[in-house]
Amino acid sequence: DAGVTQSPTHLIKTRGQQVTLRCSPKSGHDTVSWYQQALGQGPQFIFQYYEEEERQRGNFPDRFSGHQFPNYSSELNVNALLLGDSALYLCASSLEVASGAYEQYFGPGTRLTVT
Amino acid sequence: RKEVEQDPGPFNVPEGATVAFNCTYSNSASQSFFWYRQDCRKEPKLLMSVYSSGNEDGRFTAQLNRASQYISLLIRDSKLSDSATYLCVVNDITGGGNKLTFGTGTQLKVEL
Repeated sequence: DAGVTQSPTHLIKTRGQQVTLRCSPKSGHDTVSWYQQALGQGPQFIFQYYEEEERQRGNFPDRFSGHQFPNYSSELNVNALLLGDSALYLCASSLEVASGAYEQYFGPGTRLTVT
Repeated sequence: RKEVEQDPGPFNVPEGATVAFNCTYSNSASQSFFWYRQDCRKEPKLLMSVYSSGNEDGRFTAQLNRASQYISLLIRDSKLSDSATYLCVVNDITGGGNKLTFGTGTQLKVEL
């Protein structure tokens, strides 16, 4: 049973550039959430995708955008990169269930460094 | 006030000790709570889910007090391999989504 996978594992970009990060959810999961984790902090919620729509969004600027594909995989795009965007970007997948059990499982993350 | 607050530690304890972490949350409408474990430079891994008053799994016990908006994690008989950062997490399902709000984490170091 494949877990959550993310690519690439590491990325170095220059200020002003654009980046795309990719995530494949755990087998059987239909919801993907993205989080940003700065050093020494807990993960911060960016947004969540379900049925190919952005369902909920955290306090991140419009430079952060995403997409979910019919196979439930997802992309996170960040435009006009700033030094402060350097962080570990985590993807988490979950399955919508009527009981309200919303356990999310994380991928290994993409470590983005902006220089 | 932060949405989820934890003592950052570090907690340095000897092997075999019992250690407790506390966490408070601000959103009284929160329904689901979790403890995640995160090793250095790795992803958070789900340790325990807490949907009612508490949950126990081997050496780990989580308790929830909704009236005080307080969650705790107790680790008994600490092992060296328990050394990690423990993240208190609250699930917010308002707005139709399923958003996790994390505390900053409590660092645990178990020593010989």
